[in-house]
Amino acid sequence: DAGVIQSPRHEVTEMGQEVTLRCKPISGHDYLFWYRQTMMRGLELLIYFNNNVPIDDSGMPEDRFSAKMPNASFSTLKIQPSEPRDSAVYFCASSLGVSSTEAFFGQGTRLTVV
Amino acid sequence: DQQVKQNSPSLSVQEGRISILNCDYTNSMFDYFLWYKKYPAEGPTFLISISSIKDKNEDGRFTVFLNKSAKHLSLHIVPSQPGDSAVYFCAASSTGTASKLTFGTGTRLQVTL
Repeated sequence: DAGVIQSPRHEVTEMGQEVTLRCKPISGHDYLFWYRQTMMRGLELLIYFNNNVPIDDSGMPEDRFSAKMPNASFSTLKIQPSEPRDSAVYFCASSLGVSSTEAFFGQGTRLTVV
Repeated sequence: DQQVKQNSPSLSVQEGRISILNCDYTNSMFDYFLWYKKYPAEGPTFLISISSIKDKNEDGRFTVFLNKSAKHLSLHIVPSQPGDSAVYFCAASSTGTASKLTFGTGTRLQVTL
């Protein structure tokens, strides 16, 4: 398996624009997580899904953020409208089953909002 | 409020010496702890973990120690190698929450020649 695949790797956008980040989890994994990395707060969990269903979105900072998982092999994180303070690296991760606490991370998307 | 804290943002160690990275947590519900390593432009990769029923877990050059009463864990790397230079994240989870991990802010380790 190629691992967790995220696209794009880098995104530069202007304030106010919509941004969509994409993730393909490892095949067979039933948990999917979206994290955001900043210098001040490290890795923060934004939302996670189990079997395509959102379980906990308490980490989503504002209504401007939304995430979907239409099927087992694809998820999106959308920011609309984007703001400069959203600039960060966004990671997607997946894991297998409740008994597995090891999550496998993608390479991340570096988002810059100017 | 940071439930997992790594108070040292950076650490420099000479090659061959021991590296000790520290982590503190505040949530007493945490019962599983992990260390992840992250190289620039890559995602974090799992390194080693420990369950709260143990106080030590060893894997080659890497050993994690857990002190539940102090809510403290540490990662020891012996001997340190230049390839160990990376950012190390401490993470914690609770039973029943699967891989929902709470991470610290990371410690950047630099192993010098």
